[in-house]
Parts: sequence; C-alpha cells; structure tokens
Amino acid sequence: GAVVSQHPSWVICKSGTSVKIECRSLDFQATTMFWYRQFPKQSLMLMATSNEGSKATYEQGVEKDKFLINHASLTLSTLTVTSAHPEDSSFYICSAPKPQGSREQYFGPGTRLTVT
Amino acid sequence: GENVEQHPSTLSVQEGDSAVIKCTYSDSASNYFPWYKQELGKGPQLIIDIRSNVGEKKDQRIAVTLNKTAKHFSLHITETQPEDSAVYFCAASREEDTGRRALTFGSGTRLQVQP
Repeated sequence: GAVVSQHPSWVICKSGTSVKIECRSLDFQATTMFWYRQFPKQSLMLMATSNEGSKATYEQGVEKDKFLINHASLTLSTLTVTSAHPEDSSFYICSAPKPQGSREQYFGPGTRLTVT
Repeated sequence: GENVEQHPSTLSVQEGDSAVIKCTYSDSASNYFPWYKQELGKGPQLIIDIRSNVGEKKDQRIAVTLNKTAKHFSLHITETQPEDSAVYFCAASREEDTGRRALTFGSGTRLQVQP
C-alpha cells in the first residue's frame, strides 16, 4: 500500500548549521504534503503546507526563512532547518494525503533532530 | 481555526478492561475525524476514522462515536491488551473546495495497559 518515508530518521548537528529532511511518497503522487513538529510529550503542531510547484504555506509563528520547504516533484518535499539552534531540536513528521480524494493522510516515520 | 481538546491526558487500565478517550472540536465545519496511535519514536498510525455523515464506526476491538450536535467524538477500545499501550491522538479536519486541509490534533492520551 501507499507509504510515506522520511530521511534521515535521526540527525545530530551543531548550532548554526543547516539540516535537510526529506519526505517521499512511495507508489503515489502527492501535490500537497504537510510538515508537523512534535516536542517531547506534546502533540503534533502543523508547521507548513508544502505545495508542488508553488510556495509553501506557513502557519502563524513559523519562520519561513528558517524552515525552507521545497516541493520539487510530485513525490518529494524537503524541509531545511537553517542556522539550527538547540530549541529547534524536535521530532519532525511529514504527511501526505491518500490519493483519489481521500481525506485520510499517510504519515512518515518522523525525523528526530538534535541540535547541540 | 479549529481547536481540538482531548482528555484524559493519561489513562491506565487493567488488561481486558475497556478504555475510552474523548475529544471535542470547535469548528462545526469539520467533517473528518481520525484517531492515531503513536509509539515511541515513530510516526502516527491511523487506527480508525469517522466522517461527519456517520455516528459510529467499529473495527474489531476499536470503535469511534461522533456527536455532531455536541461536537465531540470518542475512541473506545475493548478487551485492552498490553500492546495497546501507546499515545493516542484524535484529530479533525475540514474538506474545502480548494483541496485538503491539514489535521488539527488533540493533545494526546498516554494509554498504559497493565498486564
């Protein structure tokens, strides 16, 4: 069945560096993907909506210049955390709507980012 | 925007007992209500969902009920097993003419099933 993958599954980086996280839809195309952030023992909070071929839509309070989103193809969206700081350490999860107009969404396995 | 409240935040039950988790939502236009199970270090996994034109849905030991008037929906797990232990999230979304919307999640319920 349809699956969403993320890479890497975990990453450790130093403050001030940038980190790229990939979200891929396997076996189906996704014109829209969503990026969520989840802090320990908290809920998933929507960061942005990634749109293939156009600019991403960011939620209020999310810095678009810090969290760069590129949806370059129908199966790939990337989230780049620029100039990462320890407070950016979190679990980043992407999702893609199930094809054929379904409201169901497939979630990726998440990427654990730790900024030292 | 939508606001989803979920309770309890933690729930401990004995194996074989039932567990109930409740959520309320604020946007009367929301029409899709999924429930997700999340294990430590993993992404959410859909366990059951319900649409606004249905009042109840059941899948083996799991059932979901929806009260549109009161704007609340509940997850019921019967005959709980230790492997049911996880964090459960409710969510809501609204279908729009222009496309699909992201989900608004509840705060989560940590379910622990004691063997």
